[in-house]
Amino acid sequence: NAGVMQNPRHLVRRRGQEARLRCSPMKGHSHVYWYRQLPEEGLKFMVYLQKENIIDESGMPKERFSAEFPKEGPSILRIQQVVRGDSAAYFCASSPFPGQGALGYTFGSGTRLTVV
Amino acid sequence: QQPVQSPQAVILREGEDAVINCSSSKALYSVHWYRQKHGEAPVFLMILLKGGEQKGHEKISASFNEKKQQSSLYLTASQLSYSGTYFCGTIQSERGGSNYKLTFGKGTLLTVNP
Repeated sequence: NAGVMQNPRHLVRRRGQEARLRCSPMKGHSHVYWYRQLPEEGLKFMVYLQKENIIDESGMPKERFSAEFPKEGPSILRIQQVVRGDSAAYFCASSPFPGQGALGYTFGSGTRLTVV
Repeated sequence: QQPVQSPQAVILREGEDAVINCSSSKALYSVHWYRQKHGEAPVFLMILLKGGEQKGHEKISASFNEKKQQSSLYLTASQLSYSGTYFCGTIQSERGGSNYKLTFGKGTLLTVNP
């Protein structure tokens, strides 16, 4: 059981470039959640996806940010034209169907994005 | 709606007890508790689904008062390994809904000293 896999662990981008963050959920998990965390701050919800569907994107900026979770392959968080304020740790979590049973969400190790 | 956690920070000596509180202004489906150590991913501790439910994990337990939409995390006889930031996360009740978005509080920094 490999857990939630995120890559890359560290990503450096120049202002104006694109950042692509990948998240492979645990085996058997079909729900994925993305969070952003600034240093010494909490976990800010961004987007909640199920296979091929966006369930809730209320925490994601309307511009430059997008997320997908295709039928095959990992979930992708894409940030276009990055700015210094995008520098943060981005965590992905996954769960099986959350409406059944007392199951927590499993987090990946995160991607630390630095915009220079 | 972000849950409210208190206190923001706690400093303990090994062996002492602590309580961390979490409250919401919205009706809740569940409350989660996680611990995050510096530079690491949050780790799931426990989930509470029913009002008045209390669960335990080693010397860490939690309760959930469904009527007040409040949860408390109890750490007894603290150990050095308990140090970290504790987050409560809540999922709101939605009539007929299927949105299981987990929203976190701002966290409580717990420091256990020898």
